[in-house]
Amino acid sequence: AQSVAQPEDQVNVAEGNPLTVKCTYSVSGNPYLFWYVQYPNRGLQFLLKYITGDNLVKGSYGFEAEFNKSQTSFHLKKPSALVSDSALYFCAVRSFSGNTPLVFGKGTRLSVIA
Amino acid sequence: SAVISQKPSRDICQRGTSLTIQCQVDSQVTMMFWYRQQPGQSLTLIATANQGSEATYESGFVIDKFPISRPNLTFSTLTVSNMSPEDSSIYLCSVGRTGSFADTQYFGPGTRLTVL
Repeated sequence: AQSVAQPEDQVNVAEGNPLTVKCTYSVSGNPYLFWYVQYPNRGLQFLLKYITGDNLVKGSYGFEAEFNKSQTSFHLKKPSALVSDSALYFCAVRSFSGNTPLVFGKGTRLSVIA
Repeated sequence: SAVISQKPSRDICQRGTSLTIQCQVDSQVTMMFWYRQQPGQSLTLIATANQGSEATYESGFVIDKFPISRPNLTFSTLTVSNMSPEDSSIYLCSVGRTGSFADTQYFGPGTRLTVL
């Protein structure tokens, strides 16, 4: 069975500082990994995904994530945080077999402080 | 990407009643999914809705409680039946255009349900 762990419920960072939101996963075979963001009273917005190829994936709003197979991790990063980045972030995984829906981590709330 | 709308956006319902949530997509999609997000929780998959076949339910969810329709490739409904306060959640429709492993799932804005 596939699963995702987001070890931090809350991450606080000062505006302008780099941010990292952690994610580790467990799947059989190759993982396909996704990050989504949820703003208050909104649905989930897709940020980026790793399917294959370059381990560093760049996505929307200046976010990037690094796939690390040996550590089974897919941490979300941004070089310089903005107050507007404050939101709930979800990591998700799909198994290699396709035709299967995403399984989500429990989410990490990011607060960027001015 | 896909533009997804849900109706209603929110509702307050009485215990024992039923609510049908509609999901409309701006283009044809292969896969449609329904998720539940309980207060302060992550997303839990309720079922996968495929056009022309019965929905596939996840463990802990049954058709009698959450009947789903998928009459065509752009529309689906989820009904929450015989509601109780424990059903108070955000219900999210999600779509995958191709069903392949590389597919990005896109989400609707959600329906916020409160059961009194």
